[in-house]
Amino acid sequence: GAVVSQHPSRVICKSGTSVKIECRSLDFQATTMFWYRQFPKQSLMLMATSNEGSKATYEQGVEKDKFLINHASLTLSTLTVTSAHPEDSSFYICSAMTAGDGYTFGSGTRLTVV
Amino acid sequence: GENVEQHPSTLSVQEGDSAVIKCTYSDSASNYFPWYKQELGKRPQLIIDIRSNVGEKKDQRIAVTLNKTAKHFSLHITETQPEDSAVYFCAASRYNNNDMRFGAGTRLTVKP
Repeated sequence: GAVVSQHPSRVICKSGTSVKIECRSLDFQATTMFWYRQFPKQSLMLMATSNEGSKATYEQGVEKDKFLINHASLTLSTLTVTSAHPEDSSFYICSAMTAGDGYTFGSGTRLTVV
Repeated sequence: GENVEQHPSTLSVQEGDSAVIKCTYSDSASNYFPWYKQELGKRPQLIIDIRSNVGEKKDQRIAVTLNKTAKHFSLHITETQPEDSAVYFCAASRYNNNDMRFGAGTRLTVKP
């Protein structure tokens, strides 16, 4: 089936620095990728939808200047958490829509800001 | 937009018993209802999905039922095994639409 590769799986960064998370569709072209955030023991909350070649669409309450999304090609979408703070610590996960497989998720990135 | 509610939040069953998780949705235009299983620290895995043109779908020990009139759908796991222990999420969307919303999740524990 379709595979979405997400890196890194874990990252620890200092407060005030930026972190980039990558999601790649390995065997299909992902015109659209979705970025979710998941707090411990909670559900996945849609942050934004990235479309190849255009600006991302952000959900209400999500700071687009803080969570920069780039979808430069049909196989790569990136989420950059800028000027990270401890409250940004969370599990971030991407997904892409595939024909026949529904939504395929990346493996997730656990971000810890210290 | 779509709003999905999921119950119960936790469920504990004895090995071999059945488990049922229920979800309701608000958008009558939603037509795609997947269920995901998420083990601790891992990605959600699609376990079964149903489109609005059918009322029930079964895959071995897992089945999903859909009541479009009442706008609710349920996951049924029979003959539960300890490896079924995980968090299960329901979701609803219009197929090929980006507006997929997840339920809050159900933590299922199967006791051996």
